[in-house]
Amino acid sequence: GDSVTQMEGPVTLSEEAFLTINCTYTATGYPSLFWYVQYPGEGLQLLLKATKADDKGSNKGFEATYRKETTSFHLEKGSVQVSDSAVYFCALREDNNDMRFGAGTRLTVKP
Amino acid sequence: EAQVTQNPRYLITVTGKKLTVTCSQNMNHEYMSWYRQDPGLGLRQIYYSMNVEVTDKGDVPEGYKVSRKEKRNFPLILESPSPNQTSLYFCASSPSGRMNTEAFFGQGTRLTVV
Repeated sequence: GDSVTQMEGPVTLSEEAFLTINCTYTATGYPSLFWYVQYPGEGLQLLLKATKADDKGSNKGFEATYRKETTSFHLEKGSVQVSDSAVYFCALREDNNDMRFGAGTRLTVKP
Repeated sequence: EAQVTQNPRYLITVTGKKLTVTCSQNMNHEYMSWYRQDPGLGLRQIYYSMNVEVTDKGDVPEGYKVSRKEKRNFPLILESPSPNQTSLYFCASSPSGRMNTEAFFGQGTRLTVV
């Protein structure tokens, strides 16, 4: 079945550092890919998405590119801020199916 | 404001005492689902509903029930809760089950069963 694997955390960075969170997936078809963010005490909210190969999703300085050849959707940000501290989830969705989530990666950004 | 509302946010209960967690969305979404979130496991789907009166099991349905009598509501029922159901629960909705549609999440319900 479909599955998502993302890098284990926690990840701790200093402010303005470069961020990469790796995500790879296994799917029977050609899913849409998502990154969700969960701030402390809140539900998940969509950060960005890509619906086909080579699409790049971007939002709030975060980017991720749908790479079919490597079945990956790595999340990147050039300069993180303290306010980016949260748990990040990679997810996929195929037609008429629910979302499949990775285990989540906790990011802490220190001033 | 478009939102998914869950109640209660926090609940402590005893083993065997039936409980219901409510979920309501105001976006006229067809698709709704329930997840549980446990450390190191991410979100696992419990049940989902493609539309009114249509529900189906997810990956971890044992010990749970759901119903979808109206489009906006999708309650999660634990008939006889056990300690292994202590978890953080999320309700989510999306316009449809199509692959390019995002899910909108509630704030979560932290359940402790003692």
